[in-house]
Amino acid sequence: AQKVTQAQTEISVVEKEDVTLDCVYETRDTTYYLFWYKQPPSGELVFLIRRNSFDEQNEISGRYSWNFQKSTSSFNFTITASQVVDSAVYFCALINAGGTSYGKLTFGQGTILTVHP
Amino acid sequence: NAGVMQNPRHLVRRRGQEARLRCSPMKGHSHVYWYRQLPEEGLKFMVYLQKENIIDESGMPKERFSAEFPKEGPSILRIQQVVRGDSAAYFCASSPPGILSGELFFGEGSRLTVL
Repeated sequence: AQKVTQAQTEISVVEKEDVTLDCVYETRDTTYYLFWYKQPPSGELVFLIRRNSFDEQNEISGRYSWNFQKSTSSFNFTITASQVVDSAVYFCALINAGGTSYGKLTFGQGTILTVHP
Repeated sequence: NAGVMQNPRHLVRRRGQEARLRCSPMKGHSHVYWYRQLPEEGLKFMVYLQKENIIDESGMPKERFSAEFPKEGPSILRIQQVVRGDSAAYFCASSPPGILSGELFFGEGSRLTVL
C-alpha cells in the first residue's frame, strides 16, 4: 500500500521568510512519481511539479525548490522569500509508475500555509 | 484548449435528494478520474473511467454512488439519497491515452453541500 504523510498540518510565517513543507512517502514500488499541488483559497488544484523516482536532482523554479531524497523517502518543498499569495493548502502526492497505476494518485493530508504581511 | 470543465461548481442538496456532477475532459483526453476531498482532508481516489467503461472503482462507496462516461457527453458522478457526510469537493481529472503515470489535469472541483 502507498502512503503520503505531511506531518505539518498548518504553518504560519511572515512575508519574506523561507518555509519548508515536509513530505514523507511509503511505497513498495521501485518506480514511482511524486507531485506537489497547490490549492489556493479559490479551491482549484494547481500542479506544481512532478518528479520520477530515478531523478534525485533537486529542482528550482523561481522561489520554489524541491529536495528529493530517496534514502529517507522524502520530497520536501521550500518556498524562498514567501509572499502573501503563497497562502494556500499544499498537497504532496505519489503514484506508482507501473502499467496499472494510471491516474490513481495517493495524496497527503495537506499543509495549510498562511503567509502574513 | 479548454481545461477540464466541471459543473456545477457549487451544488446544494437536502438529505435524500440526488446529486449529479458533470465533468468534460480536456479535448483529446479519453481517461477520466474522480476524486473526493472531504473537509480538511486530502483528495481520495474514487473511480477511473474510459469511454463507456469503468476501469477501477475501488475508491467508490459501495452504495448510492455511481459514475459513467458515455460515448458522447460528459462523465457523470451520481450520488443518490445524499447524506450530510457526502458534503465535499469532488474533483475530476483527465488524461490522454498512453499517458505517463500521473499526468493528470484537474478541474476546478464541484462543491456539494448537503443540508
